[in-house]
Amino acid sequence: DAKTTQPNSMESNEEEPVHLPCNHSTISGTDYIHWYRQLPSQGPEYVIHGLTSNVNNRMASLAIAEDRKSSTLILHRATLRDAAVYYCILRDVIGGKLIFGQGTELSVKP
Amino acid sequence: ETGVTQSPTHLIKTRGQQVTLRCSSQSGHNTVSWYQQALGQGPQFIFQYYREEENGRGNFPPRFSGLQFPNYSSELNVNALELDDSALYLCASSSGQGTYGYTFGSGTRLTVV
Repeated sequence: DAKTTQPNSMESNEEEPVHLPCNHSTISGTDYIHWYRQLPSQGPEYVIHGLTSNVNNRMASLAIAEDRKSSTLILHRATLRDAAVYYCILRDVIGGKLIFGQGTELSVKP
Repeated sequence: ETGVTQSPTHLIKTRGQQVTLRCSSQSGHNTVSWYQQALGQGPQFIFQYYREEENGRGNFPPRFSGLQFPNYSSELNVNALELDDSALYLCASSSGQGTYGYTFGSGTRLTVV
């Protein structure tokens, strides 16, 4: 199973952008990069996913390196409600399980 | 559209007992996965059902079993409970085997004493 590496924790100030990095040097050509986040006392929540090109949605942006060995989740303006554990996950395009690592715990200061 | 609903929300069982956890998938979703999340850890994949057939299993013993029903709801059964089975059990549903993301429920907190 392909693995990802993320910092254990990060801090941000409210209303500032946040860049959450993820390394996945063993990514294969059929792996999609998925991001989920888990707020306290809740199940994980889908954030965004991509294969090769950068992706944007209402929640965040995903920037994928040209060699696909790393990616960055971008929250454009952090709010207090964005405080959560963010998981970067590689998932084969054919289907199958999500393999969660430890994730990055993001704290947002007012 | 309704999300994923899990029941019960909390449960206390004695070691050696059996437990059944239930999950109603989001409307239109035909795939259900179950995860176990120990305190302070990321969720660990238990198994997945697609159209009532198991199509993936993680590193869990056979005493963890499941079912998916024709309406795509699902059950997770755990026999011979052990203290280490104490965890948050999460159900996730999707369409098309999760290609476009999974919707998770809030989980069932199981405590084994």
